[in-house]
Amino acid sequence: SYVLTQPPSVSVAPGQTARITCGGNNIGSKSVHWYQQKPGQAPVLVVYDDSDRPSGIPERFSGSNSGNTATLTISRVEAGDEADYYCQVWDSNSDHYVFGTGTKVTVL
Amino acid sequence: QAQLVESGGGVVQPGRSLRLSCAVSGFTFSTYEMHWVRQAPGKGLEWVAAASSEGYNKYYADSVKGRFTISRDTSKNTLYLQMNSLRAEDTAVYYCARGTLRGGWFDPWGQGTLVTVSS
Repeated sequence: SYVLTQPPSVSVAPGQTARITCGGNNIGSKSVHWYQQKPGQAPVLVVYDDSDRPSGIPERFSGSNSGNTATLTISRVEAGDEADYYCQVWDSNSDHYVFGTGTKVTVL
Repeated sequence: QAQLVESGGGVVQPGRSLRLSCAVSGFTFSTYEMHWVRQAPGKGLEWVAAASSEGYNKYYADSVKGRFTISRDTSKNTLYLQMNSLRAEDTAVYYCARGTLRGGWFDPWGQGTLVTVSS
């Protein structure tokens, strides 16, 4: 089955840039979507189709995808960005949806 | 705007059954693929099942195939998850989520309902 690997944690100071990676075999050939989940809340879509943002999501959130790594970038990080972040793809071989292992972003 | 509200969670003994419901509003239910996603306590997200927009095609994670059944009732704007032969490892918050085209993203999500499998 297809596996997506994320770093368990990323720490960043306010105003700096956080980069969260999502590794998978030839992930650049797939569409990658990203979710933010704050404690006790449901996930919220923040980036879809590698780099598009849903309405209402700040421009500070951006995404890229190439080769074996997709990246979610959060610019000018704010305290409110502290959350768990998950990447997600669809594996056409298994016809299954797959989530990454998740990354906890801590704002110092 | 689109809203999804899950219900039906609770405490159930191993081997027993439970049915979850997800009532939707604010969008045309019959035109979207719908999903169940779960999250065990302190763990990550796991996709569980999907039902195509018309309900004919259903897809399941290997961990629940043969035990769980997803269905939908367009007349009631409701998605269901029938869970049989429950195991301790099925303990999780279960979310319903609206899909897009096949293979797309999930947006929005419901608030989730907690299922605890314990004797």
